[in-house]
Formats: sequence, structure tokens, C-alpha cells
Amino acid sequence: DVKVTQSSRYLVKRTGEKVFLECVQDMDHENMFWYRQDPGLGLRLIYFSYDVKMKEKGDIPEGYSVSREKKERFSLILESASTNQTSMYLCASSTYSGAQFFGPGTRLTVL
Amino acid sequence: GESVGLHLPTLSVQEGDNSIINCAYSNSASDYFIWYKQESGKGPQFIIDIRSNMDKRQGQRVTVLLNKTVKHLSLQIAATQPGDSAVYFCAENIGYKLSFGAGTTVTVRA
Repeated sequence: DVKVTQSSRYLVKRTGEKVFLECVQDMDHENMFWYRQDPGLGLRLIYFSYDVKMKEKGDIPEGYSVSREKKERFSLILESASTNQTSMYLCASSTYSGAQFFGPGTRLTVL
Repeated sequence: GESVGLHLPTLSVQEGDNSIINCAYSNSASDYFIWYKQESGKGPQFIIDIRSNMDKRQGQRVTVLLNKTVKHLSLQIAATQPGDSAVYFCAENIGYKLSFGAGTTVTVRA
């Protein structure tokens, strides 16, 4: 079975802090994704990566950056957390043309 | 713009009955569709997928039907159980990006 793990289920941070969310997949997938999910807005793509060290902006990249140094790991970075970044963050991975498989999510609260 | 959407935001089903969840899409270039289930507080879980060269695909208690003529797909769940209560999303895969519908919340009545 595909397994996507995320470093934290729940996280509470203060405004202005730098926040790292990590995601690891064990299926040797080429593609990895970061989404945020908010009530009424659905799933929105922040960034994705189709190869090591490669990244593409999604629909809402502002305030975020990403890092993919190894194929199995994709990190989302909030350089200076703000309250409007309080959300559920979901990581996913896929082969080039296959289904995306999601991790359990990280519920981030920024105070 | 083109998008994927679900017909109904909520569906209430009697335990043991069959459920049918519908989804309409508008991008005629889409060639791959996926259904996900999301339980409260969890990430979306892959249920079943179908490519555009197929009309029907079956899994364990689930069937996905694709009607390309009217750009419609549906998810049928047989003998619905309490554990099937969740939000169900259809997603349209173009290349390596997904476009998600808004979701249908399924509630199973005992």
C-alpha cells in the first residue's frame, strides 16, 4: 500500500514564526504536492514537484516555499506564519499520470 | 473556466441501501478521473479511478460509471455501511494536476 506520512497531525505556531511541514512517501513517486483545505474553499494547490529539486507554483503559492532535496521527501515552509495560514495542510504523491495519494494532514493553527 | 463539480452537496442513505453519488465535468480533454473519500479530520483516501477509454470499473462494493457523452461520472456504493459516512470528491486529472469537485457529504442512517 502507498504510504504518505506527514510530520505532525497538529501544530500551533505564533505569528511571524518560520514553520516547516514535512512529507515523506515510500512509493518512489515522481510527483509530490502540497494543498491546503479550508471550509467552503475545498482543496487548493500550493506547490508541486515533479522531480528532485524541481518545483512549480500551484494556485496559491504566496507566503509559502518548498524544498525537495530527496525524491521521497517534500517540505512546505511558511517563512513568516500569519493567522490567515491557519488551515489543514495535505501532502500527496503520485506517479506521472497516476492517482494522487494523500497523507493524513496537518492541522496548523497560527495565533 | 472549466471545472469538476458534484450535483448534490449532501446525501442521506439508509444503512444497507445502495448509494449513488454524481459528478459532472466540463473539460472534454480530461482522460482520467478519481473518486476520493474523506472522513472528518483525515486526508482524502483513494477509492477508485477510471480512464476515459472505459465506461465502467468495479472495486470492492464500489462501481464508477463514466458517460463521456454527457460528461458525467458517478460512484455507486453497494450495501452502504455506517463507515461509509464521509465526504466524497470526484477529481479530474490532467497531466499531473488534479481539479477537485466541491464534495458530497454522505450520511448513513441506522
